[in-house]
Amino acid sequence: GENVEQHPSTLSVQEGDSAVIKCTYSDSASNYFPWYKQELGKGPQLIIDIRSNVGEKKDQRIAVTLNKTAKHFSLHITETQPEDSAVYFCAGEASGGSNYKLTFGKGTLLTVNP
Amino acid sequence: DTGVSQDPRHKITKRGQNVTFRCDPISEHNRLYWYRQTLGQGPEFLTYFQNEAQLEKSRLLSDRFSAERPKGSFSTLEIQRTEQGDSAMYLCASSLGGLAGAQYFGPGTRLTVL
Repeated sequence: GENVEQHPSTLSVQEGDSAVIKCTYSDSASNYFPWYKQELGKGPQLIIDIRSNVGEKKDQRIAVTLNKTAKHFSLHITETQPEDSAVYFCAGEASGGSNYKLTFGKGTLLTVNP
Repeated sequence: DTGVSQDPRHKITKRGQNVTFRCDPISEHNRLYWYRQTLGQGPEFLTYFQNEAQLEKSRLLSDRFSAERPKGSFSTLEIQRTEQGDSAMYLCASSLGGLAGAQYFGPGTRLTVL
């Protein structure tokens, strides 16, 4: 099955700086990679996703890049703000015919210091 | 609010009791997923429904766990004879059909087994 590894586990940046979180995956058949933001006591919130036919996707201050050859993808947040502080999870869609389950990384706790 | 809803948000029970959680997906979504999340970890897949059919169950879903989705709308997750190891956040997500679609999560039900 799919295995997703995420680094770093914690990341602290100053407001206005950029933050980068990296993930690797094991299943070369995976073709869908979402990123979620989870605040304390809440469910994960989808913030951006990318499919394997695209190398990069951007949405305002958030961008995701995908390297299928190397089997890694990254989340980039520019001009960070205190409200970006949360736990971020990457995920990969596990292959398996009609199954669309996600395999998640262990998460990155991002702290943006004012 | 037309997002995924879950009830209850919190449940405290004694070991050995049965508990049932409910999930109402986004109305036009025909796929529904249950995940479990423990502290400091990413969500782990439990089971998946396409309309009313339960198409896959994880090895994490022991015989004490059962999920249903009658009529392809809301879903219930029941845990019988709860154990302390069942304490976790139980998350429900839903997505559209077709190719891998974005999964939207509910706020979760936090279960504490005393």
